[in-house]
Amino acid sequence: GAVVSQHPSRVICKSGTSVKIECRSLDFQATTMFWYRQFPKQSLMLMATSNEGSKATYEQGVEKDKFLINHASLTLSTLTVTSAHPEDSSFYICSAKRGAWPFPGELFFGEGSRLTVL
Amino acid sequence: SQQGEEDPQALSIQEGENATMNCSYKTSINNLQWYRQNSGRGLVHLILIRSNEREKHSGRLRVTLDTSKKSSSLLITASRAADTASYFCATDRGGANNLFFGTGTRLTVIP
Repeated sequence: GAVVSQHPSRVICKSGTSVKIECRSLDFQATTMFWYRQFPKQSLMLMATSNEGSKATYEQGVEKDKFLINHASLTLSTLTVTSAHPEDSSFYICSAKRGAWPFPGELFFGEGSRLTVL
Repeated sequence: SQQGEEDPQALSIQEGENATMNCSYKTSINNLQWYRQNSGRGLVHLILIRSNEREKHSGRLRVTLDTSKKSSSLLITASRAADTASYFCATDRGGANNLFFGTGTRLTVIP
């Protein structure tokens, strides 16, 4: 199957700093990528839809100024957590969609990035 | 918000037994998918079933879909310790350009 790479896999930062997480589709072009947040032992909550060359679409309750998303190319989307606070500590997962919806199959997910804010 | 609920929330079985997980959803759908997640890892797609299908098989996996009841089940036969993971259903809410996940079932297969 297709490969989506997410980096870094783990990051620890101090409160007040910003952290950037990258999501790359390695062997296909992804016009649309998605960012999810997952708390321990809970499900994935969709944060935003990242569209190449345009502004991201945020889900209700997600602060767009807090979670900056950039999808500058067909293979890369970035999520920047600005002025991070301990409550932002979580597991962030990206996924990439290949082809028309519904792709015969699925979205392709990254391995996730665990953010710990001290 | 979550699309639906899986039950049970946690399931522990002996290796070799069958594991059945259920998923209920609230809106109309075009398709429903099941994913697996090992602890602290990303998601792996298992199987997709379209709204006009009632049952689908893939290896040791069997998925059923009842659109009248807005529910689906995932059956893993002859379970193995390596099947230990969380399992999520996800739907497209009838054509939304993304997936919405259920609450998940944590499966533990005891060797």
